[in-house]
Amino acid sequence: GQNIDQPTEMTATEGAIVQINCTYQTSGFNGLFWYQQHAGEAPTFLSYNVLDGLEEKGRFSSFLSRSKGYSYLLLKELQMKDSASYLCAVYNTNAGKSTFGDGTTLTVKP
Amino acid sequence: EAQVTQNPRYLITVTGKKLTVTCSQNMNHEYMSWYRQDPGLGLRQIYYSMNVEVTDKGDVPEGYKVSRKEKRNFPLILESPSPNQTSLYFCASSFSPGGTEAFFGQGTRLTVV
Repeated sequence: GQNIDQPTEMTATEGAIVQINCTYQTSGFNGLFWYQQHAGEAPTFLSYNVLDGLEEKGRFSSFLSRSKGYSYLLLKELQMKDSASYLCAVYNTNAGKSTFGDGTTLTVKP
Repeated sequence: EAQVTQNPRYLITVTGKKLTVTCSQNMNHEYMSWYRQDPGLGLRQIYYSMNVEVTDKGDVPEGYKVSRKEKRNFPLILESPSPNQTSLYFCASSFSPGGTEAFFGQGTRLTVV
């Protein structure tokens, strides 16, 4: 099976930087996704990491360490519209599917 | 425009009355899946389909059925809905189960009374 852990809630200030962590335990790991989901809306894709290291995409970056079973999503220059849930999902080739964590609800305050 | 379309967006029904939630994608994706989302429980997979006429159970399949007669459509069927199936449902599609991003429908908020 798979075990994916993320903090339930985080709060940060507009303009600041926030790091959302995700730890996982799985066999057959093949990659890790991050999705953003605004309240009541569909999740939208942010990033996919297969290899170790940091991938940067504008204000958002995602990091993966396969040996530690650890990933984080880094959001810079926070904006109010970044208030949302951030979902970590692990793709397992053995299971042939991705499994989602429970998500981290980020609140950005002025 | 590439999209996944679910209908209806909102549905209130009574216990035991059969219902179908439709899902259609226009990206020629082979892989489609249904999730339910409940507070504090994240997205849980109900059923998935690798291709036409190929479907399989996800993590929480009890009380649900699916079919995949055409590549673009993947309806979710509740033969006899119960109140514990009150939830927010998402359909998703992608080229493969992993390695490529999933596109999600707008969601269907179902209430069973």
